[in-house]
Amino acid sequence: DTGVSQDPRHKITKRGQNVTFRCDPISEHNRLYWYRQTLGQGPEFLTYFQNEAQLEKSRLLSDRFSAERPKGSFSTLEIQRTEQGDSAMYLCASGPSWGGINTQYFGPGTRLTVL
Amino acid sequence: QQPVQSPQAVILREGEDAVINCSSSKALYSVHWYRQKHGEAPVFLMILLKGGEQKGHDKISASFNEKKQQSSLYLTASQLSYSGTYFCGTAGGGADGLTFGKGTHLIIQP
Repeated sequence: DTGVSQDPRHKITKRGQNVTFRCDPISEHNRLYWYRQTLGQGPEFLTYFQNEAQLEKSRLLSDRFSAERPKGSFSTLEIQRTEQGDSAMYLCASGPSWGGINTQYFGPGTRLTVL
Repeated sequence: QQPVQSPQAVILREGEDAVINCSSSKALYSVHWYRQKHGEAPVFLMILLKGGEQKGHDKISASFNEKKQQSSLYLTASQLSYSGTYFCGTAGGGADGLTFGKGTHLIIQP
């Protein structure tokens, strides 16, 4: 039983470059969430998919950020024209949609450093 | 609105008990508890739904007071492995993304 996986685990980029992260959820989970976590803080919600539909986006998700889940399986998060303030751990979580509960299991995260 | 966790930090000796509190100013559908160790992802501990139920496994349990919009996490006979930062995440609906508190740092000393 594999958990949530994310790739890459670490990414160092220069300001202004574009970056893309991938998340593979637990196979039977149809809900997928993206969060961002900075040092000393709890995770901050970015966006949420149910199957391929993006159902909720946080105000934190500026127009430089875009997320997709084209076939309802893996998801990608792209950041365009990166800024130093984008440096953070980007966490993906997945969960089932049955039972009326929204249990979420986190992947290992992608640590982004913008120089 | 971000839930408020207290205390911010706790230092215990192995075998002692701890209580971590989480309170929200908005109506909650569910409260989720996670433990995160340095450099690792948050690990799911348990979820509590509105209804005031108490859940637990092993020596970790939690309660949810729907009227007060508060949840508490209880760790009994703490073990060294319990060290880490504990986060509560709250949701106003059944599919919502979670809003996390700032965390409670728990240090267990031998």
